Amino acid sequence: NAGVTQTPKFRVLKTGQSMTLLCAQDMNHEYMYWYRQDPGMGLRLIHYSVGEGTTAKGEVPDGYNVSRLKKQNFLLGLESAAPSQTSVYFCASGKSPFGLAGLPGTQYFGPGTRLLVL
Amino acid sequence: AQSVTQLGSHVSVSEGALVLLRCNYSSSVPPYLFWYVQYPNQGLQLLLKYTSAATLVKGINGFEAEFKKSETSFHLTKPSAHMSDAAEYFCAVSVSTGNQFYFGTGTSLTVIP
Repeated sequence: NAGVTQTPKFRVLKTGQSMTLLCAQDMNHEYMYWYRQDPGMGLRLIHYSVGEGTTAKGEVPDGYNVSRLKKQNFLLGLESAAPSQTSVYFCASGKSPFGLAGLPGTQYFGPGTRLLVL
Repeated sequence: AQSVTQLGSHVSVSEGALVLLRCNYSSSVPPYLFWYVQYPNQGLQLLLKYTSAATLVKGINGFEAEFKKSETSFHLTKPSAHMSDAAEYFCAVSVSTGNQFYFGTGTSLTVIP
């Protein structure tokens, strides 16, 4: 049981290049999230998914696209990277924000991907 | 809309001293509140969560937090700091009418030997 894994761990891009970050979870979770973490700003939600084949925008979606073709995978794409996208990206998954009893579920986080855009 | 505010981006305590990390929330509906910890170069781990069952919530590693509706607060405490507690701590809020979690900006805890 690996939990939530992210690929790659670190990447350097030049402005205008594209890349895809992969998040995989083996806990059969319905919900998956992509966050970015910047100094002094905490975690901000980029996109999320409530199930296979679904995606939704979070707080800071511009410049990113996502896909959830398989339940266990959630991909984050940068079509044309910009220096403002230099950040640490975290993926998280969970059964549901709110379980059967209506109580909030737990998010499980991956180790993060450090992205530097030059 | 929901939000959390963490007062103090950096907190330093001596080993063995009380740890107090502050979190205030804003929510138009009853909130669910969380504290997460992040160790260097790692992802976030859940410390504890408030689900309206009890106002005093006990978490892992000796941490606890008390939900105070009148003060809109959910401060994190630990009676005696340990060196291993040095980390970044995040408060987060969610509500039953949404799918999202909202995180605070984090508090970096330093423990002085």
